[in-house]
Amino acid sequence: TQLLEQSPQFLSIQEGENLTVYCNSSSVFSSLQWYRQEPGEGPVLLVTVVTGGEVKKLKRLTFQFGDARKDSSLHITAAQPGDTGLYLCAGSHYGGATNKLIFGTGTLLAVQP
Amino acid sequence: GAVVSQHPSWVICKSGTSVKIECRSLDFQATTMFWYRQFPKQSLMLMATSNEGSKATYEQGVEKDKFLINHASLTLSTLTVTSAHPEDSSFYICSAIESTSYNEQFFGPGTRLTVL
Repeated sequence: TQLLEQSPQFLSIQEGENLTVYCNSSSVFSSLQWYRQEPGEGPVLLVTVVTGGEVKKLKRLTFQFGDARKDSSLHITAAQPGDTGLYLCAGSHYGGATNKLIFGTGTLLAVQP
Repeated sequence: GAVVSQHPSWVICKSGTSVKIECRSLDFQATTMFWYRQFPKQSLMLMATSNEGSKATYEQGVEKDKFLINHASLTLSTLTVTSAHPEDSSFYICSAIESTSYNEQFFGPGTRLTVL
């Protein structure tokens, strides 16, 4: 059962546009991570947010963790074709026995040149 | 950085055969490894958690007798898909937790399994 819902599911935009991807849950997470995955490869970690309300920036990418640590967003400014990929959020619970990650449903982004 | 490798990167097999996929942590020791399954354009679904020296913990709905996991050392976990059928065709990804990096999982490049 997926506990993290991402929206939109698919997004096709033109180079230079801005976009926001949302990751929502009814559960509270100790931390939340964002990954980008390209076809035929494993996911690559972009950022980890751990504090409610935290905002992190990675060049043109801005990540925010909700105050209640149930949701997160990823904003991309001036998207480029190289940003194309599958974006995945994943939540975890510290103190759990297995440190499992719960992955979101994914957002497939295509940036057209 | 921590590197995880998988072998093979892709495999094609006949229905009814068994396939073994290896996951190795190349430059660190991993007490815990995870196995995921991913269908095209979908998210990762956790199959099982593999702990070195103990039995794997399977997620609900995953057949432990079909997907055999062995974590024999701190750098190697294997997933064997037994009596594979076409519906087992998928992208299998492993990840490993470095003991000094709390909760950060490092992912392998994945293995594409196609069962004919």
